[in-house]
Amino acid sequence: GIQVEQSPPDLILQEGANSTLRCNFSDSVNNLQWFHQNPWGQLINLFYIPSGTKQNGRLSATTVATERYSLLYISSSQTTDSGVYFCAGKKSSGDKLTFGTGTRLAVRP
Amino acid sequence: DTAVSQTPKYLVTQMGNDKSIKCEQNLGHDTMYWYKQDSKKFLKIMFSYNNKELIINETVPNRFSPKSPDKAHLNLHINSLELGDSAVYFCASSQGRIGNTIYFGEGSWLTVV
Repeated sequence: GIQVEQSPPDLILQEGANSTLRCNFSDSVNNLQWFHQNPWGQLINLFYIPSGTKQNGRLSATTVATERYSLLYISSSQTTDSGVYFCAGKKSSGDKLTFGTGTRLAVRP
Repeated sequence: DTAVSQTPKYLVTQMGNDKSIKCEQNLGHDTMYWYKQDSKKFLKIMFSYNNKELIINETVPNRFSPKSPDKAHLNLHINSLELGDSAVYFCASSQGRIGNTIYFGEGSWLTVV
């Protein structure tokens, strides 16, 4: 398996602020995903992004596979963005998808 | 039209009991998973099935037994429940063994008293 580190572990934002969440991997991955767990516990897939950049509304993600990290950008944050953000990666077919310990985000109104 | 559904959502039971959690997906995926999320929110895979074949079996007590009657279903049976089994159990599915995008169910909150 691989080790997945996320930073920061906790983040408090004022509504409207921007933020960047980071995910570092101990080895190269060919499957990398970002998830949001809302305060009700639902896990929602945000991005499947083993490399490159993707955007979805106010969220975007960039993965630099050769340097073993991925970034999640949240712009103009809203209170509904609160929750825990997880990244997860997998090295090769058959390996398990390993989750990081998450970044807990609280957006204040 | 729920994509990955699991039942029950909440389960409170006494130590020593046997319980099952059921999972069904209607996405046409061939790979299904069980994850456990502990009180610190750490997510860890327990089992994975591809086309009804067990492909991932993490180090979990043998009191936990998954069963996949077909590609669309993956159930989790737990024998002799212990206090430490209290957690949220998530079912998930994806297409292909590499994983692609994984879709999670809403979770089953298990409390052992």
